[in-house]
Amino acid sequence: QKEVEQDPGPLSVPEGAIVSLNCTYSNSAFQYFMWYRQYSRKGPELLMYTYSSGNKEDGRFTAQVDKSSKYISLFIRDSQPSDSATYLCAMRVFSGGYNKLIFGAGTRLAVHP
Amino acid sequence: SQTIHQWPATLVQPVGSPLSLECTVEGTSNPNLYWYRQAAGRGLQLLFYSVGIGQISSEVPQNLSASRPQDRQFILSSKKLLLSDSGFYLCAWAYGRAGDTQYFGPGTRLTVL
Repeated sequence: QKEVEQDPGPLSVPEGAIVSLNCTYSNSAFQYFMWYRQYSRKGPELLMYTYSSGNKEDGRFTAQVDKSSKYISLFIRDSQPSDSATYLCAMRVFSGGYNKLIFGAGTRLAVHP
Repeated sequence: SQTIHQWPATLVQPVGSPLSLECTVEGTSNPNLYWYRQAAGRGLQLLFYSVGIGQISSEVPQNLSASRPQDRQFILSSKKLLLSDSGFYLCAWAYGRAGDTQYFGPGTRLTVL
């Protein structure tokens, strides 16, 4: 079993839809939780990060963490074609003497006009 | 503001040839530095990380090595490339030892023929 599970998609939605992206994890030692957006042939860019359970909002993006269920989500409101990208979840854990990030495989999102 | 550079952007190399990929960071000092590889449709695999000049830790035994000759310079090398070394190589940096949030460079796409 992978430490972080993420549905690879692809997920196709019409412009203006609400998008829900999710990851589950098995290691209760995971602390910080992050979402990265990666456009084709580009490096990932950090979208949001959060530590505690609950919601964190930034513009059209909301990150949600449920530590009791080991489940995190990213919601995108009023989705735009420019949101078409692969979204990677990442989680921080202290291992081998340093903090490291464990990434999901990424969900490919396509928003069509 | 901080900026991370990688070069070359793309590289096509024959099997058995050497490799040198370079990463530099501007606008910060003593960053943690990381090398990742991303295979098509898969998540990021951490290859090496460094907390300072000359301090390199390897995550996965393989045909690659890394060096950090200067504070903000990180180099990924190989003496003889294998077909399996093909992929998208990403350099990332993070503040200090926390390594909570990592910021990625634009990546190098390597094809080994």
